[in-house]
Amino acid sequence: QISLKESGPTLVKPTQTHTLTCTFSGFSLNTRGAGVGWIRQPPGKALEWLAVIFWDDDKRYSPSLKSRLTITKDTSKNQVFLTMTNMDPVDTATYYCVYRHGSNWYTSWGQGTLVTVSS
Amino acid sequence: DIQMTQSPSYVSASVGDRVTITCRASQGIGTWLAWYQQEPGKAPKLLIYATSVLQSGVPSRFSGSGSGTDFTLTISSLQPQDFATYYCQQAINFPLTFGGGTKVDIK
Repeated sequence: QISLKESGPTLVKPTQTHTLTCTFSGFSLNTRGAGVGWIRQPPGKALEWLAVIFWDDDKRYSPSLKSRLTITKDTSKNQVFLTMTNMDPVDTATYYCVYRHGSNWYTSWGQGTLVTVSS
Repeated sequence: DIQMTQSPSYVSASVGDRVTITCRASQGIGTWLAWYQQEPGKAPKLLIYATSVLQSGVPSRFSGSGSGTDFTLTISSLQPQDFATYYCQQAINFPLTFGGGTKVDIK
């Protein structure tokens, strides 16, 4: 049974750097083909893919956010981290941690965490 | 980036109705397409991948078809638990991209 859970500050001030943690179970990020990514959804809007990290430490980012994002992993703790710099109110969204294996569709999702950017 | 366009953005339907949602890609993606269902206040759930393969546990009233740039999601007989928002996603190229969503509401 695969499970993912997001955690981190839920209220962030503009210009701050924000780090989200995804803690997962039911799979290993050392397994060939595994990947953990992040997707966000502003209130009332559509889904936006942000980044993914693979079992071999390959990483891919949304080009529009690449300069602000860093994704890393700690396989010993079954955790993936997403750091976003220079937070802005438009970054207010529910952030989901997601799992994929082999292909780029996401079979498992965390419950999501609402991050609000406000002074 | 590959743009994904869904239509309609909103559909009002009754229990038992047949509902069809379309998704168009800005360039050919073969059959590298997934559909997700999102109930209000919940995380999305994978419904269909590789255009037409039902994820485990998904009822057979859901089906997907298409290839290249044009795809459809069909619900053959709408059930009360199907009232939700549906998103398509291309899975062939990074950045992965989603359609704008189709909300299926109760008539």
